[in-house]
Amino acid sequence: KAGVTQTPRYLIKTRGQQVTLSCSPISGHRSVSWYQQTPGQGLQFLFEYFSETQRNKGNFPGRFSGRQFSNSRSEMNVSTLELGDSALYLCASSPGGGYTFGSGTRLTVV
Amino acid sequence: GIQVEQSPPDLILQEGANSTLRCNFSDSVNNLQWFHQNPWGQLINLFYIPSGTKQNGRLSATTVATERYSLLYISSSQTTDSGVYFCAAASGGSYIPTFGRGTSLIVHP
Repeated sequence: KAGVTQTPRYLIKTRGQQVTLSCSPISGHRSVSWYQQTPGQGLQFLFEYFSETQRNKGNFPGRFSGRQFSNSRSEMNVSTLELGDSALYLCASSPGGGYTFGSGTRLTVV
Repeated sequence: GIQVEQSPPDLILQEGANSTLRCNFSDSVNNLQWFHQNPWGQLINLFYIPSGTKQNGRLSATTVATERYSLLYISSSQTTDSGVYFCAAASGGSYIPTFGRGTSLIVHP
């Protein structure tokens, strides 16, 4: 059974640009959640999607958005990148209960 | 929301030693997991354990939900156990896990 797949693994962007990250959940998992991990703030919840609908949202500015497709794959988008957006972005899928995480996308904003 | 505190923040062991990591949470939980984050950043699910005791090889975990804590035991530690261990819990109507700050473990050969 394939795990959670995140692409790309590494990304370098310039301030002001936008970026799109992708997450393919475990087959059959309909819930996809996104987390941001930084040394200062730790792991913080961004949002959760279930059946193409955003079901929960964390405390992040509107520059952070996401969506989920009918096949449960999810994308998150960050517009007008800031230096502080440099982080490891982790996606998790769940059947309801425990979470399984992908390998993450490490975003560096320069 | 729920508060999750982990202790100790840092732990250094010699290979072969045993250790206990603790996770305290501020509310009754409907979801509690332990994760190991390896040096490449991947969070690996160790246990889904909102209550009771589970064992997997050299690792075991116990959650005492009524007293609002969970313990992760590592026996006969190996250098590959190094990394950061996270506890994540959700409570009440929210099933979105809140993560603790983690315990950074270094195992020396």
